Amino acid sequence: GENVEQHPSTLSVQEGDSAVIKCTYSDSASNYFPWYKQELGKGPQLIIDIRSNVGEKKDQRIAVTLNKTAKHFSLHITETQPEDSAVYFCAPTSGGSYIPTFGRGTSLIVHP
Amino acid sequence: KAGVTQTPRYLIKTRGQQVTLSCSPISGHRSVSWYQQTPGQGLQFLFEYFSETQRNKGNFPGRFSGRQFSNSRSEMNVSTLELGDSALYLCASSLVWTENTEAFFGQGTRLTVV
Repeated sequence: GENVEQHPSTLSVQEGDSAVIKCTYSDSASNYFPWYKQELGKGPQLIIDIRSNVGEKKDQRIAVTLNKTAKHFSLHITETQPEDSAVYFCAPTSGGSYIPTFGRGTSLIVHP
Repeated sequence: KAGVTQTPRYLIKTRGQQVTLSCSPISGHRSVSWYQQTPGQGLQFLFEYFSETQRNKGNFPGRFSGRQFSNSRSEMNVSTLELGDSALYLCASSLVWTENTEAFFGQGTRLTVV
């Protein structure tokens, strides 16, 4: 099965700083790479995703970069705000299984 | 458009009992998946249903089961509850479950086994 590692497990930044979370996966058949945000008391919500034929995707302050050769993809958040504080999960999905494997999560804390 | 609805939100059960959780997917979504979330193990896949058939199953014991009805609503059942079953159970729906599909999650059911 897919082995997924997500780093760091906790990330503390000051408001306005940038944050980067990295996800490493093992299955070379993975072809869909989403990032989910989970706020306290809520279920995870997709914030950005990328497919295997694209190297980078941006949506306002959020971006995802993919390195298929090295089997990792990263979430980049610029100009962080207190409302960005949450747990972020990567969930690479293999074309063979159709089921995402979630990373262990990164707790992002943005200090005002 | 209503989101994924899970009921109940909170449950307290005694060890050895059984429990049934319910999930109503987004209208038009035919795939429903269930996950168990714990601090120690993170988000773990339980099973996925599509058009009333279980298409995928995670590595959980047979005490965990589910089903999907013709209106795509899904239930999961846990029998002979153990303390270790205490967790947040999340349901996710998608239009068609493929590797390239966003999963829409409900708020979860918090199960506490005492």
